Amino acid sequence: GENVEQHPSTLSVQEGDSAVIKCTYSDSASNYFPWYKQELGKGPQLIIDIRSNVGEKKDQRIAVTLNKTAKHFSLHITETQPEDSAVYFCAARQLTFGSGTQLTVLP
Amino acid sequence: NAGVTQTPKFQVLKTGQSMTLQCAQDMNHNSMYWYRQDPGMGLRLIYYSASEGTTDKGEVPNGYNVSRLNKREFSLRLESAAPSQTSVYFCASSEGGSVRNEKLFFGSGTQLSVL
Repeated sequence: GENVEQHPSTLSVQEGDSAVIKCTYSDSASNYFPWYKQELGKGPQLIIDIRSNVGEKKDQRIAVTLNKTAKHFSLHITETQPEDSAVYFCAARQLTFGSGTQLTVLP
Repeated sequence: NAGVTQTPKFQVLKTGQSMTLQCAQDMNHNSMYWYRQDPGMGLRLIYYSASEGTTDKGEVPNGYNVSRLNKREFSLRLESAAPSQTSVYFCASSEGGSVRNEKLFFGSGTQLSVL
């Protein structure tokens, strides 16, 4: 089955700096890679996703890049704000999630 | 606009007790899922249902049963709870059938403790 590894497990950045979270996957047949944000006490919410026919996708301060050859994809958050503080999960398809990254943005 | 609704929000059980976690969605979605979330392990799929009347095992199905009661509702049952089942449980839904690659909508979770 699919295996997704996510790094780092915790990440602290200063407000205004960029944050990068990386994931690798094992099944070369996977073709959909979503990212979810989970705030304390809530369920995860999709923030961006990418399909295997593109290499990069942006939505305002958030971007995702995909390297199919190396089987890894990354979440990039620019100009971080305190409200970006949350746990972020990557996934391959809907079925396999990474272990999560606790992002803390320091004011 | 409720989305995905889970009940209860919190539950404490003794080892060996049984209970059913309820989930309902009002978005007319075809697929529904149950995940458990443990510290440092992300979300692991327990069972999913790609359409009304069908269910399939996920990564960690042992100790659980599910019922897709109708298109709206998907319940998760613990027949004989064990401490290893202490976790936060999330129900989710997606629009398409056959588990297509698409956005998941999550409920707010059930915190379950088994003593």
